[in-house]
Amino acid sequence: EDKVVQSPLSLVVHEGDTVTLNCSYEVTNFRSLLWYKQEKKAPTFLFMLTSSGIEKKSGRLSSILDKKELSSILNITATQTGDSAIYLCAVEGTGGGADGLTFGKGTHLIIQP
Amino acid sequence: DGGITQSPKYLFRKEGQNVTLSCEQNLNHDAMYWYRQDPGQGLRLIYYSQIVNDFQKGDIAEGYSVSREKKESFPLTVTSAQKNPTAFYLCASSPNRVGEAFFGQGTRLTVV
Repeated sequence: EDKVVQSPLSLVVHEGDTVTLNCSYEVTNFRSLLWYKQEKKAPTFLFMLTSSGIEKKSGRLSSILDKKELSSILNITATQTGDSAIYLCAVEGTGGGADGLTFGKGTHLIIQP
Repeated sequence: DGGITQSPKYLFRKEGQNVTLSCEQNLNHDAMYWYRQDPGQGLRLIYYSQIVNDFQKGDIAEGYSVSREKKESFPLTVTSAQKNPTAFYLCASSPNRVGEAFFGQGTRLTVV
């Protein structure tokens, strides 16, 4: 059965700080790892990672995959209050006989002004 | 605008009733998914469909049913057999197997 573990589960920082969110996984026939941001309702797509060691970057957010360590990190620099959200990590594989994404429980990030 | 639409946003169900949650997409995506989200649990896959007239059970399919009669539509019925249906339900679609899934705004179901 595919498994995704995110840490920390919650994090409170001050505006301007840099944060690193972690995601580790166990998956059969890994295909991709995805990061989503969920503010109130619909998760919105951030990154899809398939190759190890290649950083994906979008503004202040960046992410990298380490297939050897079966993990990924999501970095947010110069955080703003608008970054407050639940960040979800998901992996795509073929384990467990069910298709679709296996999600972690998410990291609830709170940015204090 | 292209997108994925769920309705209703809020739904109240009496115990013993079946209710159907709607999910429609105009993105021309082949694959559609239903997830359930509980506090502290992340998203869990209920059902998915890769093609019209075909669907597969996910990890927590018991007490739920779906249909995929049209490419655009993937309704989810929460039956009375689902013992703990109060949750936030998210529908998603993707152009191929999974890849970058697009999510609807969700339906919050409460049993009263």
